[in-house]
Formats: sequence, structure tokens, C-alpha cells
Amino acid sequence: DAMVIQNPRYQVTQFGKPVTLSCSQTLNHNVMYWYQQKSSQAPKLLFHYYDKDFNNEADTPDNFQSRRPNTSFCFLDIRSPGLGDAAMYLCATSRAGGYTDTQYFGPGTRLTVL
Amino acid sequence: AQSVTQLGSHVSVSEGALVLLRCNYSSSVPPYLFWYVQYPNQGLQLLLKYTSAATLVKGINGFEAEFKKSETSFHLTKPSAHMSDAAEYFCAVSDSGSSNTGKLIFGQGTTLQVKP
Repeated sequence: DAMVIQNPRYQVTQFGKPVTLSCSQTLNHNVMYWYQQKSSQAPKLLFHYYDKDFNNEADTPDNFQSRRPNTSFCFLDIRSPGLGDAAMYLCATSRAGGYTDTQYFGPGTRLTVL
Repeated sequence: AQSVTQLGSHVSVSEGALVLLRCNYSSSVPPYLFWYVQYPNQGLQLLLKYTSAATLVKGINGFEAEFKKSETSFHLTKPSAHMSDAAEYFCAVSDSGSSNTGKLIFGQGTTLQVKP
């Protein structure tokens, strides 16, 4: 089945230790999104890629970066995680990024910062 | 700026009862609206979406929502709740105020509890 896969499902890191979260998709979609969802809150968009074009949200901290080496994979890098970065990180894809396009979400990676 | 507001962070119903989850939107342009469901420790799954065609939208798992422009609402309903419906539900609007990126702006979510 075509799907969005996130690895790992659970990640524990130490304060200030860089961490990378992975997302892959078999849908061959052009757009990949990263959302941050803190406990009991709504998902919040961090950034997205339209093909190779990177689009950062204005309020995304500089601590967060992303890479998309090819259509299938996208990575979220947190350079120096703080306690406030503990959250569920959701990857999503859409075919063309249009206003009415459905976004398909992965299962998420829950990040714990010690 | 566009936004959605979900009234009621927690809703509890008995199995077999009507489910009604409320969502109101604010938008200066015709909105595109979505309902997603999130089960514990999982990603979001699309239930249904409104894209300016029919105002009554039918989705998966027996859910439907009606777009009411006069009330700026897009409430989610299901005639008869099932235990498996217990989850977090998010209403979202597509941010058509910026470039065509498909950015979703989510409401705060409503936790649905279904009692036996």
C-alpha cells in the first residue's frame, strides 16, 4: 500500500544533542510537510518542500532545518533540541500542494528531550 | 487571516447516540475545509473535505459535515456513535490567503469519548 512512513516512531535525545527524524513516502507526491504537535495542541506547520523548493514558515525557529535529497525522502534536523521541542512531529504529503489537495499523514515521531 | 475554532475540547456521548462536533471558521475568501481524525499515537487521517461543491459532505466511517456560509460553520456529525469513534478530531482550513502551498490551519481539536 502507498503510504507515508516515519522513523523512528519514538526518539529520545538529550538537551542540546542534534537529532534527525526521517520521513519517506511511496505516493510519489510533490509536496512534503513537517508539522510539530505539542501535547494537547493542534499541529503547526514548520516548513514544506514543493519538489526541491524549500518553504519555511516565518515563525519556525532557526534550530529546525530540513533536507529533501529526493522525491521519496525528507528529513527534519533539530540542531540543539531544547526541552520545549519535545513534541510529536508529523510528516505529510500532498500531490500538488493545492488548496483542496488532501494531505496524507505519517504516524508521527514522538520526540522526548531529557 | 484564516482561522478555525472548535467549540468544546471534550465531547462525551453514549454508544449509539448522535455525535456533533462543532467547527466555526473565519475567512475573507471562500474557505476549503477539512476534518481529520487522530487516534492515540497515530497520524491524522482525512474524514472529509469541503471544496465548494456540495454543501453536505459525506466522509468515511459514517461521518458527514454541512457547510453553512451564513453561520460560518462546518460541524461534523454522525448519527450513531461507535466505540471505535473515540479519538481526537481536528477541523482545518486551507490557507488560501498565501501562495498555493496547501498549508493547513488547524483548530485546537476535540476529544470524543464514547461511553458504553
